[in-house]
Amino acid sequence: QQQVKQSPQSLIVQKGGISIINCAYENTAFDYFPWYQQFPGKGPALLIAIRPDVSEKKEGRFTISFNKSAKQFSLHIMDSQPGDSATYFCAASMPPYYSGGGADGLTFGKGTHLIIQP
Amino acid sequence: DAMVIQNPRYQVTQFGKPVTLSCSQTLNHNVMYWYQQKSSQAPKLLFHYYDKDFNNEADTPDNFQSRRPNTSFCFLDIRSPGLGDAAMYLCATSRDLEYNEQFFGPGTRLTVL
Repeated sequence: QQQVKQSPQSLIVQKGGISIINCAYENTAFDYFPWYQQFPGKGPALLIAIRPDVSEKKEGRFTISFNKSAKQFSLHIMDSQPGDSATYFCAASMPPYYSGGGADGLTFGKGTHLIIQP
Repeated sequence: DAMVIQNPRYQVTQFGKPVTLSCSQTLNHNVMYWYQQKSSQAPKLLFHYYDKDFNNEADTPDNFQSRRPNTSFCFLDIRSPGLGDAAMYLCATSRDLEYNEQFFGPGTRLTVL
């Protein structure tokens, strides 16, 4: 129930196209859903995050779509650029009171290796 | 710029030789986390500190310990590194437990010979 399932494992998109990465979760206690971008040899960097009270959040070229009933959320990268080539992780976390007073940190999906072809 | 700093960036140790990894933050965040990330895998939470309160994940081996002497610093101690402990170790911080926006450091790449 703690798992977050991410797909696809790898994705190749042409420059200017839309990159779409999907995640699904089981535990309805999750209430925070961030996306992280990681370049080789670097730590993950927070891209965008959403809470279940909204269905969509947009920041620049990045959009999260959230479907609470389906327990799914996705990242859309519009006008994908070669500089977007990286590994993307979705994640989820629960509120601290749910886990007995201490947050368990982030549960990550397995990652998507995105390549944007020029 | 406020940030999360990890030292060293690369650490080589020998099998069984204790090693300590360091993390510092200028964000003045209450929570500090340690994650282990093996090659081509997702980060996995080892433990975290909320202020001085230590919270260990159930499946974190006893071989891994942590210290947080003050708000700014947190250390990861690996008492007897095995070959399977070779990984990237990531430190992250968040303002508090309710607001779980986590900021990651660049990581320390640990090699065990």
